[in-house]
Amino acid sequence: DQQVKQNSPSLSVQEGRISILNCDYTNSMFDYFLWYKKYPAEGPTFLISISSIKDKNEDGRFTVFLNKSAKHLSLHIVPSQPGDSAVYFCAASARMDSNYQLIWGAGTKLIIKP
Amino acid sequence: DTAVSQTPKYLVTQMGNDKSIKCEQNLGHDTMYWYKQDSKKFLKIMFSYNNKELIINETVPNRFSPKSPDKAHLNLHINSLELGDSAVYFCASSQDDPGKGDYNEQFFGPGTRLTVL
Repeated sequence: DQQVKQNSPSLSVQEGRISILNCDYTNSMFDYFLWYKKYPAEGPTFLISISSIKDKNEDGRFTVFLNKSAKHLSLHIVPSQPGDSAVYFCAASARMDSNYQLIWGAGTKLIIKP
Repeated sequence: DTAVSQTPKYLVTQMGNDKSIKCEQNLGHDTMYWYKQDSKKFLKIMFSYNNKELIINETVPNRFSPKSPDKAHLNLHINSLELGDSAVYFCASSQDDPGKGDYNEQFFGPGTRLTVL
């Protein structure tokens, strides 16, 4: 039972264009959503987050949009750069009893073409 | 300086062996985690420790046991290794305080690729 889904295993985008990575979730109790970026042979690194009470959060070239009614969020990268080539994980945070858990999607591999 | 470090980076071993993976964080965080990234690339939490107390234990076989000598270390011991244990294991840490609300980001180690033959 996947509570966080990233339906595109990979995405190829031309350098300079916009990259849009999508994520869907099923649990309306999630209170934070996070995007992590992962390079090969490295651990995931935090990129950007959004609270469930917001619909947009922007940080430089990265913007995350949240549509709660559709249980959908997306990460926009503009303009895309070669260094953005990585696997992007969507994760959702839920408080279970007194603890926080992160539920992860399977990741989307972003390839930026020169 | 590495914030979250894991050793070894690669581990190849035979079925039935017992092995350990070490994790250390120098961020002063009070919560540490172990994740398993399986063949489908999902990151699944195995354990977390807060102030030396186990607070999450997902349905992991009891062959896996976390050991935390202090809040900067969370080691993973695996007994009687099986083929299905082959995966990448990530350690992470965060400054979460379960009682106070806002979620804080988790910082990950580089991962340990375990191969069981």
